[in-house]
Amino acid sequence: GAVVSQHPSRVICKSGTSVKIECRSLDFQATTMFWYRQFPKKSLMLMATSNEGSKATYEQGVEKDKFLINHASLTLSTLTVTSAHPEDSSFYICSARGDGSSGNTIYFGEGSWLTVV
Amino acid sequence: LAKTTQPISMDSYEGQEVNITCSHNNIATNDYITWYQQFPSQGPRFIIQGYKTKVTNEVASLFIPADRKSSTLSLPRVSLSDTAVYYCLPFTGGGNKLTFGTGTQLKVEL
Repeated sequence: GAVVSQHPSRVICKSGTSVKIECRSLDFQATTMFWYRQFPKKSLMLMATSNEGSKATYEQGVEKDKFLINHASLTLSTLTVTSAHPEDSSFYICSARGDGSSGNTIYFGEGSWLTVV
Repeated sequence: LAKTTQPISMDSYEGQEVNITCSHNNIATNDYITWYQQFPSQGPRFIIQGYKTKVTNEVASLFIPADRKSSTLSLPRVSLSDTAVYYCLPFTGGGNKLTFGTGTQLKVEL
C-alpha cells in the first residue's frame, strides 16, 4: 500500500513556542491530506482537510490561527501549532488519499507525539 | 456522513476466529467500507476495503450483506499481536473526509 510518513515522531517544546509537523506521501501524489488529533484511549478527531494549493478546511471548533496547515506540494503537508500550550499536548496523525487504483483508500502516517512543557 | 456503531470491546484467545460487526445504516450508495487497525501510539493501518459481498486478503475477510447496512470483519486465527483497536469507516473517496467512530478494542489472550 501507499506510504505516508510523519516527522518528527516525538517533539517536546516550551510553552509559547511554535512547532511544525510534516506529513509526506512517499510513493504517491496526494492532493488531499487530513490532520487528526487523538487523546489517550480516545478515537481520532478530524481537525482539518488540507488541499494542495488552496486553504485548508477546518472542522468546527478547531482554531485555524492556532493550527496552521500548509499543503504546498502534492507530497507534503505541514501542521504548525502556534504559541503552543500544555493543553495542545496530544498525538497528531496525518493521512492522505491514495491515487490511481488506490484512490478510494486513505493511508495514515505513524503519528507525532507533541508534548508542551 | 454515515454513522457507525461497533461493539466497544471484544475478548478472544489465540487461534480463534474473531468477527467484528459494524452497523452503518445510512451508508451512501457511493461509499466503500474500510477497516483500519490501530496499535497504541501508531497511526491507523489499512486492513481491508469492500463495496459489497465478500472481500478477502492475506490478513482478513470482509463480509457485506446485500443491503450494505452492516459489515463484518473476520480475523482468522488471531494471535496476541492482533490486540488493537479496529475501526470501520464508510468512505466515498475523492476529497471526502473519514470520520472515526469509537472503534472496537480487541484483546487477545493466551
